[in-house]
Order: sequence, then structure tokens, then C-alpha cells
Amino acid sequence: EAGVAQSPRYKIIEKRQSVAFWCNPISGHATLYWYQQILGQGPKLLIQFQNNGVVDDSQLPKDRFSAERLKGVDSTLKIQPAKLEDSAVYLCASSTYRGLAYEQYFGPGTRLTVT
Amino acid sequence: GESVGLHLPTLSVQEGDNSIINCAYSNSASDYFIWYKQESGKGPQFIIDIRSNMDKRQGQRVTVLLNKTVKHLSLQIAATQPGDSAVYFCAENGGTGFQKLVFGTGTRLLVSP
Repeated sequence: EAGVAQSPRYKIIEKRQSVAFWCNPISGHATLYWYQQILGQGPKLLIQFQNNGVVDDSQLPKDRFSAERLKGVDSTLKIQPAKLEDSAVYLCASSTYRGLAYEQYFGPGTRLTVT
Repeated sequence: GESVGLHLPTLSVQEGDNSIINCAYSNSASDYFIWYKQESGKGPQFIIDIRSNMDKRQGQRVTVLLNKTVKHLSLQIAATQPGDSAVYFCAENGGTGFQKLVFGTGTRLLVSP
């Protein structure tokens, strides 16, 4: 089974520029998540999709971050304009029911550096 | 807001020892907990989970213990191997079902040969 794919793996931009990240979840997984992981911290949920609908975006800074999942499969996360504090790893995950509950499978992440 | 935290930021052990990684949680509404392992440059990987109606759950070389009285979670790794070196996160659901997770800050496990 192929895992969650993300691209690019690394991105360096200057503040005030825009950037987009792409995620392709595991086939058949209806739920997709974007997390922000700042160095030395645990992942923080930004947005959760169920198929192509948003379930939770309460922690998404909507003045600069946007995300979409138009066909209920792959997803993009955009930052415009970027700030220095956006430097982090952006993780995408998808989930399926297994064992006790829904297990989230994570992609390798995109490491963003804002200079 | 309520959060999940860890007692030890770094744990160093010798190969073959048993490791215990601890986690304190503060959201009493949480009823589902997971341990994840994250190796450098990779996303978190599911290790083991437990529901609040359990005190203990065992996997392959790993055991999770849940003490709801003191809101404490621990991960025990038996016969620790160099390949176990990673950052370990506990996560809780905040009582929101089984799909939304709040992660702690992590403990780095270093295994010496």
C-alpha cells in the first residue's frame, strides 16, 4: 500500500512570498489532515477534511492560510503572505478505521524555511 | 487551552534495556490516547493506542499504561534497540471522538549500542 505523498520536501522562501504544498492521501482514505510542526514541538492540527468538506479549521490562520480538497482526494495548503514564524514542517495525514479507532497515517512532510 | 505534556525531554538508554516514556495529560474529557514515533525527516508513525476503558494494552515489544486517576500515560519499550531511537509523542483526543488529536511536545529516546 502506497503511503501519503507530499511535495515538495523542502522549500525556502522570503517573508511576504507565497507558497503551496501538495498532498496525496492513501487511496480510499476519506479523512485528510494538515498539521504544522514547529521544531521541538508536536504536530498541531491546522485543518481536517472529510471527503471534500471541511470538518475543523479552527486553528487555521485564515488571514494567510488556505486549503482545499476539491475532488475529495488530493489537497493543497497555501500560505500567502508567509511570515518568519511560519517556518515549520507541514505534515499531511489521512486516516482509516483500524483496531480501536481511526488510525492516522502521516506523510514525510514539507520543511518550510521563511527568511 | 488544555494540552498534553511530557515529563522528560530526552531519555538515554543502553541497548537491551527497557525504556519508559511518560506523558501527563490535562484534558479530563480525553478518552482515547495514542503513542507515535517520529524518526528524523519522517512523519509520525503509529505505535499503539488505548481507550479510557482500558488500563493497559500490549503490542509487539511495547506496552501502554493509562492511569486516569492521575491523568498519566506511559509507553514501555522492552529490549530497546538502536532502531528505537526517535522522538516519541503522546496524543489525546480531548473527548472529540477518534479523529481529532492533540499532540504533546515529545520525548527524544537515544539508544546506545
